[in-house]
Amino acid sequence: DTGVSQDPRHKITKRGQNVTFRCDPISEHNRLYWYRQTLGQGPEFLTYFQNEAQLEKSRLLSDRFSAERPKGSFSTLEIQRTEQGDSAMYLCASSSRTGRYFYNEQFFGPGTRLTVL
Amino acid sequence: AQSVTQLDSQVPVFEEAPVELRCNYSSSVSVYLFWYVQYPNQGLQLLLKYLSGSTLVESINGFEAEFNKSQTSFHLRKPSVHISDTAEYFCAVSRANQGAQKLVFGQGTRLTINP
Repeated sequence: DTGVSQDPRHKITKRGQNVTFRCDPISEHNRLYWYRQTLGQGPEFLTYFQNEAQLEKSRLLSDRFSAERPKGSFSTLEIQRTEQGDSAMYLCASSSRTGRYFYNEQFFGPGTRLTVL
Repeated sequence: AQSVTQLDSQVPVFEEAPVELRCNYSSSVSVYLFWYVQYPNQGLQLLLKYLSGSTLVESINGFEAEFNKSQTSFHLRKPSVHISDTAEYFCAVSRANQGAQKLVFGQGTRLTINP
């Protein structure tokens, strides 16, 4: 069990550029979540997948954001035409079904810190 | 919809002193409750959780939290803190009986331990 991994750990980009982040969940975890954390705030939910199906998207996820999980394993989060307000830590988490309280614990990755200049 | 309020953004305490980090939530349905900890330059780690049963839950490193439904609270306590407890602590909720979908987090409380 190697934990949730995210790549890159840091990304600096210029306003207007596109960026893509990758998340590799814990092996065999079929749920994968994306959150965004801005400075001094708690994480905010963006979207989640069960296998390859995207089951919920937050209103925070504008049309410039798109997330995919094509084979039900790793996921990518793309931001098009980045804005300075997109600067944040992007967190990925995964979970699996474990008995009665299935999916109750989410395991988080280290995050990707995005800075938009 | 659920919401979480952590009443203190920063809590400074002396080493070996007791501490309480306050968390209140709002929800029209039953919830699961969690405390996550984020050590400097590390990711979020689950500290403890309440799903059902005993309202007092404990972590392996001496923290405990008590679910109080009437006061909609889930305060985190430790009787004696250590320097290593310095971190940011987040309270979170999710809807119960829904396969625990999204987590709704509070703003976080930064715990600073002074020697």
